[in-house]
Amino acid sequence: NAGVTQTPKFQVLKTGQSMTLQCAQDMNHNSMYWYRQDPGMGLRLIYYSASEGTTDKGEVPNGYNVSRLNKREFSLRLESAAPSQTSVYFCASSEPRDGHGYTFGSGTRLTVV
Amino acid sequence: GNSVTQMEGPVTLSEEAFLTINCTYTATGYPSLFWYVQYPGEGLQLLLKATKADDKGSNKGFEATYRKETTSFHLEKGSVQVSDSAVYFCALTQGGQNFVFGPGTRLSVLP
Repeated sequence: NAGVTQTPKFQVLKTGQSMTLQCAQDMNHNSMYWYRQDPGMGLRLIYYSASEGTTDKGEVPNGYNVSRLNKREFSLRLESAAPSQTSVYFCASSEPRDGHGYTFGSGTRLTVV
Repeated sequence: GNSVTQMEGPVTLSEEAFLTINCTYTATGYPSLFWYVQYPGEGLQLLLKATKADDKGSNKGFEATYRKETTSFHLEKGSVQVSDSAVYFCALTQGGQNFVFGPGTRLSVLP
């Protein structure tokens, strides 16, 4: 009954370093999403995956890449981290046909120094 | 495109006060409407939803009615508690994907 699990919960990176944020869901949802949350900006969609094998850009995709590894897992990669990518990152999943909305993970707080 | 507007916060209330957080939306067609709540240090959780005009969503004493004539989905609670202190997000979707979120309204309830 885990829902959406994100790892790590906290991370500090130096400018230029790379890292991958992991997300996994156990609800058999088809759709998965990555958002970033910044003060005063609300939630902004980075990338999404409507179904296994597909990914699409959201509102703020620059500097990020994603992989939908299988139906359960959707990872977000920062190839060369920048201070502007300091944020809280949320993964979410949904099954559009059931109308229940998103289930969110607990977030990854990333600081780039 | 679709958009959601929420009242600016923060909102500060005393315990047992009445709460209203305004939400209006712009969308073509008939979106589904949601309220999410985010407690400190946590992810967003679904609070309530409504999928068609005049539907009322309710949960944990919170209510919101889908008003198509005014394109609104205002969140209300008759008597807030300290434990309701959180950030509240109004959101919409069409087709169940790619939700559009409002900026969030921070609520602080004082004992």
